[in-house]
Amino acid sequence: GQNIDQPTEMTATEGAIVQINCTYQTSGFNGLFWYQQHAGEAPTFLSYNVLDGLEEKGRFSSFLSRSKGYSYLLLKELQMKDSASYLCAVRDQGRGGGNKLTFGTGTQLKVEL
Amino acid sequence: DGGITQSPKYLFRKEGQNVTLSCEQNLNHDAMYWYRQDPGQGLRLIYYSQIVNDFQKGDIAEGYSVSREKKESFPLTVTSAQKNPTAFYLCASTGDRDQPQHFGDGTRLSIL
Repeated sequence: GQNIDQPTEMTATEGAIVQINCTYQTSGFNGLFWYQQHAGEAPTFLSYNVLDGLEEKGRFSSFLSRSKGYSYLLLKELQMKDSASYLCAVRDQGRGGGNKLTFGTGTQLKVEL
Repeated sequence: DGGITQSPKYLFRKEGQNVTLSCEQNLNHDAMYWYRQDPGQGLRLIYYSQIVNDFQKGDIAEGYSVSREKKESFPLTVTSAQKNPTAFYLCASTGDRDQPQHFGDGTRLSIL
């Protein structure tokens, strides 16, 4: 099976930078996704990594190291609206194929003034 | 606008009752998924379907059933065998394995 670990909670200051880490163990890694979820709402897609390295998209960047089973999501110039849960999800090619994801429990980020 | 529509937004179930959650998409996506989310938890996969008339169990399929008679529709039935059905249910779809899953707005199910 798969095991995905993320910190449960983080707090950061408006305007600052925060890094949310995700470590995973899987038998057939085939991509990692980051989603943002506000309370009571559906998750929205932020980023996707399948090769090692950094993917940048505006204020959000995501990094992947497949050899270390490690990813992080970097949020710059934090805004109050960034307060949300951030979900790391891993796609495993070994379990029947398709686009089936396993989600971590999420990191609840609180942005303070 | 293309998207995924889940209904109802809120649903209440009586003891011993089966209830069905609707999920419709007009994105022409082949694959559809049902997840359950409990407070403070991540998403857990209930069932998924990669093509019409075919579906597979996810990690927590017991007490649930699905059908995929049309590409656009993937309804989830929460049966009376599911003893702890109170949760937030999310439906998702994707058209390509390298594309992210798109989610509906969810259905919140509670026990009466």
